[in-house]
Amino acid sequence: DTEVTQTPKHLVMGMTNKKSLKCEQHMGHRAMYWYKQKAKKPPELMFVYSYEKLSINESVPSRFSPECPNSSLLNLHLHALQPEDSALYLCASSRLARSYNEQFFGPGTRLTVL
Amino acid sequence: GESVGLHLPTLSVQEGDNSIINCAYSNSASDYFIWYKQESGKGPQFIIDIRSNMDKRQGQRVTVLLNKTVKHLSLQIAATQPGDSAVYFCAENTDFGNEKLTFGTGTRLTIIP
Repeated sequence: DTEVTQTPKHLVMGMTNKKSLKCEQHMGHRAMYWYKQKAKKPPELMFVYSYEKLSINESVPSRFSPECPNSSLLNLHLHALQPEDSALYLCASSRLARSYNEQFFGPGTRLTVL
Repeated sequence: GESVGLHLPTLSVQEGDNSIINCAYSNSASDYFIWYKQESGKGPQFIIDIRSNMDKRQGQRVTVLLNKTVKHLSLQIAATQPGDSAVYFCAENTDFGNEKLTFGTGTRLTIIP
């Protein structure tokens, strides 16, 4: 299995809702990532988990809460989002090796906040 | 056809011609670089990568060139096909050990039949 899967594919939520995005990989990768991508812009890093521990938080607002239950799963819990949070949310994983440590991306969740 | 990345975010190339997509990176300490292809509605797809101890690496129909002196990266695609139409991003690793990638602004490549 050489892919990163994300669910749901699309999500519409109100500003008072609580929802979660899910990401899964079965490549044995020990680093997992959340990115946010606005239209016609490059992906922007939000969080990095290394060996199931949060290693990077790019000053993301607390209304986004990541969770890494095990080495294969990554969640992003959403609460009290704003319309400007509407974007494509991408999950990625990598081996955490010291050479050629490419990140593999999932297809993304298209989030719309009303 | 050739793009200059930040200054020319779109590139149109005739099918069958070669494409060159350019990227100027920012951090002279970066030691790992990746090219990604992103088709509409999909996540970025890994194309090819290169470490700073190399200046050229080849894959299937693609070649990445790295010029550390001028902090410049390029992606050459040989004999372009309609399926090559996408946005191409370069990414640099600026924090080795934490695997933090910083993406360039991207170049949209359109293949003209």
